[in-house]
Order: sequence, then C-alpha cells, then structure tokens
Amino acid sequence: EPEVTQTPSHQVTQMGQEVILRCVPISNHLYFYWYRQILGQKVEFLVSFYNNEISEKSEIFDDQFSVERPDGSNFTLKIRSTKLEDSAMYFCASRPGNEKLFFGSGTQLSVL
Amino acid sequence: LAKTTQPISMDSYEGQEVNITCSHNNIATNDYITWYQQFPSQGPRFIIQGYKTKVTNEVASLFIPADRKSSTLSLPRVSLSDTAVYYCLVGGDTGRRALTFGSGTRLQVQP
Repeated sequence: EPEVTQTPSHQVTQMGQEVILRCVPISNHLYFYWYRQILGQKVEFLVSFYNNEISEKSEIFDDQFSVERPDGSNFTLKIRSTKLEDSAMYFCASRPGNEKLFFGSGTQLSVL
Repeated sequence: LAKTTQPISMDSYEGQEVNITCSHNNIATNDYITWYQQFPSQGPRFIIQGYKTKVTNEVASLFIPADRKSSTLSLPRVSLSDTAVYYCLVGGDTGRRALTFGSGTRLQVQP
C-alpha cells in the first residue's frame, strides 16, 4: 500500500528556533493535512491544503505556522519561532478525495 | 463540524467481540462516518468507513442506524494486538473540510 513519508522522525530544537517538518504525500492525492498530538492527548487538526492554498485552519495554526508545497511532491510545515508548548508529534496526512486519510508515521518535535 | 462522543475507555478479553459506539447528533447529510485506530507513537490508521446501514470489511463492521446520529464499530474476536485508541470521525464530503478527531476510546485487551 502507498505511504505518506515524513522526515525527520525526531527533531530537537531550541526555543525560538525555526523548524521545518517535511512530508511526501501519496502521489495522486489532492488534499493534504497537518495534525499534531501532544503526548497523552488527542489528535488535533492544524491545517488543510488543496490546490496550492490553505482550505481550512484551526486556532492552533497561528502566524507562527506556515505550510508550503514547494514542488510536486513535498508538503512542509514551518514553525517560525518554536515555543515549549509546540513539543508534540506532528502528523502529515493526505487523501485522494472524500475517502480515507492516509497518515504518515509522524515527526516527534521536542522544543527545549 | 459534527462533534463526536465516545466512551473514554473499554476493557475486553482476547476472543471477545468488542462494540464501540460513537454519538454524532449533528451529523450533516453529506457526512461520512470513519473510524481510525492508533497505536502509541504511530499515525492513525483507517479501519472502516460508512454512510448508512452496515459496512463490513476484513477487520471490522460498522453499524449505522437510519437516523445516522450514532454508529457502532464492531471488532470480532479481539486479540492483544487490538489494544489501541479508536477514533470516530464525521465529515469528509469534500476533502477541503477538516476531519476533526474526538478524544477516542482507549481499548485494552487482556489475555
């Protein structure tokens, strides 16, 4: 079965630094998402992306966050100035249409 | 977005059938109902999706009553490896809309 690929699997950064989390969605999918999960909590929606623009974003997705699809394959999430509370597992997901979401294995972000 | 309500946790034993019910009272006409499974430190994994009545695949069944205000995920003969968190999601008539996770149900299967 095709997979969503995320890199790196772990990222450690200092507070205030910028991080970029990378994702390669499944090639024929049209809709892309970022979710995050703080340890022990539920999966939280951050942003959805379609046709090279943001479709929907949550309250969490403030001005410190941005997403890009710089080429035909990569989908990135940038956090400009990380805070301690940004520490979480970040999941990328994609879907072809109104079908199931395919999730990547996540990037564990630790902000020190 | 339709909000979902599930039990926080459930316990079962190997070989038993487990039924997890999700309430979604304000489901929209075009919404699908989808269930995901999540193991620790992994991304959620699709289990089953339905719109109405009953859907069955190789791992589970999904029962949806006529009013669609709830749904029940049925896992036949669970094993220890079914210990996970199970999420019910409602939505997705178009990929543009976000799919929002609820708190999920933590299923613990005992030997």
